[in-house]
Amino acid sequence: DAKTTQPPSMDCAEGRAANLPCNHSTISGNEYVYWYRQIHSQGPQYIIHGLKNNETNEMASLIITEDRKSSTLILPHATLRDTAVYYCIAKTGANNLFFGTGTRLTVIP
Amino acid sequence: DAGVTQSPTHLIKTRGQQVTLRCSPKSGHDTVSWYQQALGQGPQFIFQYYEEEERQRGNFPDRFSGHQFPNYSSELNVNALLLGDSALYLCASSLATGAWGSNQPQHFGDGTRLSIL
Repeated sequence: DAKTTQPPSMDCAEGRAANLPCNHSTISGNEYVYWYRQIHSQGPQYIIHGLKNNETNEMASLIITEDRKSSTLILPHATLRDTAVYYCIAKTGANNLFFGTGTRLTVIP
Repeated sequence: DAGVTQSPTHLIKTRGQQVTLRCSPKSGHDTVSWYQQALGQGPQFIFQYYEEEERQRGNFPDRFSGHQFPNYSSELNVNALLLGDSALYLCASSLATGAWGSNQPQHFGDGTRLSIL
């Protein structure tokens, strides 16, 4: 699976959009991009995934560049409950999730 | 609709003992994966079970073994416990769309916190 690179930490003001970047320059054509987050003392929570097209659900939007070498997770109106470690993972269906170190997002009141 | 449930939530063992952790997958899911998460680290893949067989395995010794039952629930067994086995053990379930997995997301339980004294 392709290696992903994320900034170690980010801050976001409450109520503003949080934009979390992820680089996956070696991603292959059949690898999806998945986003999970982990709030302290809980299991990882699935957020969204996509292959080529931008995706949106009730939690977030996923923007994937046309060359698929990077993506951005957007939380449109961050709340204090969105403070967590966010993981970007590239994988095929046959493989399992490889969690790196993620981005620690802190939402500031 | 119940999500992934794991038991127990916390467990304390001593070195050399054996432990069994249990996982019930989300309703409708048929594949169970286990992960180990040490303090301050991201989860690491241990193995995955599908159709009651171990389908994939990560870089973990044979002391780690598992089982999947006909109702898709699963157990993780660890023998000869070491201090380094202290971690949060996570179970994730998903729905396979073929013999070799699926792009459907895995859903996680909140884990079992195992402490080795």
